[in-house]
Amino acid sequence: NAGVTQTPKFQVLKTGQSMTLQCAQDMNHEYMSWYRQDPGMGLRLIHYSVGAGITDQGEVPNGYNVSRSTTEDFPLRLLSAAPSQTSVYFCASTRTGRTEAFFGQGTRLTVV
Amino acid sequence: DQQVKQNSPSLSVQEGRISILNCDYTNSMFDYFLWYKKYPAEGPTFLISISSIKDKNEDGRFTVFLNKSAKHLSLHIVPSQPGDSAVYFCAASGTTSGTYKYIFGTGTRLKVLA
Repeated sequence: NAGVTQTPKFQVLKTGQSMTLQCAQDMNHEYMSWYRQDPGMGLRLIHYSVGAGITDQGEVPNGYNVSRSTTEDFPLRLLSAAPSQTSVYFCASTRTGRTEAFFGQGTRLTVV
Repeated sequence: DQQVKQNSPSLSVQEGRISILNCDYTNSMFDYFLWYKKYPAEGPTFLISISSIKDKNEDGRFTVFLNKSAKHLSLHIVPSQPGDSAVYFCAASGTTSGTYKYIFGTGTRLKVLA
């Protein structure tokens, strides 16, 4: 009964380093999304996908890349980390665009 | 441009009383609305939703009201319990090109006082 699994839970990066945040879901959901949560800003949509091979930008896509090669996985890539990307990142999946989204436990990222 | 707004960052309510959390949206493409609850160090969890064809949906102690003409929704919690203390996010879903995306508000921190 895993649901949405995010790894790692915590990460510290130096400015300019790259990394990939992993997200996997086992519910066969078509829709997957990445959000970042910052104080006073709520949850802001970074990128989303409506199925394997299909991705689109959300509200704050700059500095992030995504791809969706399988239904299960939706990794988020930071090519050159910046301190402004210090945040808590959440991955979510939903069966359609008209049903509840299930969230992972989050990844707390600090860029120094 | 904030499409989904929660203008009250925090709210304190006595145990047993009603909690009312408000949310406004600006984009008329939104036609499905959800409320999520979030505890510290956890992911948001789904509470209740409402489609734009309805104006009210109830689930136990939680009721969501939708006023489409005012582009406003609210979450009522009756009676409030200390375990309800959390951050509440409203979210809206809609499509302009056949694909849906969920946009969240900034959240309201609810504190229920025992």
